[in-house]
Amino acid sequence: EVQLVESGGGLVKPGGSLRLSCAASGFTFSSYSMNWVRQAPGKGLEWVSSISSSSSYIYYADSVKGRFTISRDNAKNSLYLQMNSLRAEDTAVYYCARSPVDYWGQGTLVTVSS
Amino acid sequence: DVVMTQSPLSLPVTLGQPASISCRSSQSLVHSDGNTYLNWFQQRPGQSPRRLIYKVSNRDSGVPDRFSGSGSGTDFTLKISRVEAEDVGVYYCMQGTHWPPLTFGGGTKVEIK
Repeated sequence: EVQLVESGGGLVKPGGSLRLSCAASGFTFSSYSMNWVRQAPGKGLEWVSSISSSSSYIYYADSVKGRFTISRDNAKNSLYLQMNSLRAEDTAVYYCARSPVDYWGQGTLVTVSS
Repeated sequence: DVVMTQSPLSLPVTLGQPASISCRSSQSLVHSDGNTYLNWFQQRPGQSPRRLIYKVSNRDSGVPDRFSGSGSGTDFTLKISRVEAEDVGVYYCMQGTHWPPLTFGGGTKVEIK
């Protein structure tokens, strides 16, 4: 069974940093591209970033480019999102999702507030 | 970027009756490989999104056959043949043809009358 478990969310002040993790199991992690998708409270879904299976290709939404860094460790079956210079508008539940966006984790809440 | 527009925003439905959700893209979603990467997701209250339909009309494993997807080019539809109580939630379309970025529709909230 495919499982994706996010962690690392929490309350952070504007300008602060946070690192999200996503632990994958039930499939060959190293064979799949992975994604981060977020959902602001009461709002719709917004794609954040994607990374290819070998980390050769990395993409970001314009809204996070230069502030967020996606990475992965295939030996640990883990996906990461380093979030710097956080803003109030980054407040959201962050989901990791396997490409082609077929399986999603349960999400982790990031709240940016002073 | 491809803009995905869903309608209606809210869809009150009587149990056992059909429901239909429209999704339109700002440009054709036919990929150069011949596929159309249009997916539908269901998000029940308090849950993560779940993919229902991929490449326009293919149901994911475990998805009841009352759900069906259709369409081509820029116009797509998700239909529920007979709405059940467990179908309450928000439905999103998403295109994966012209990416990055992946783009989602704004969502359609299905509720029981």
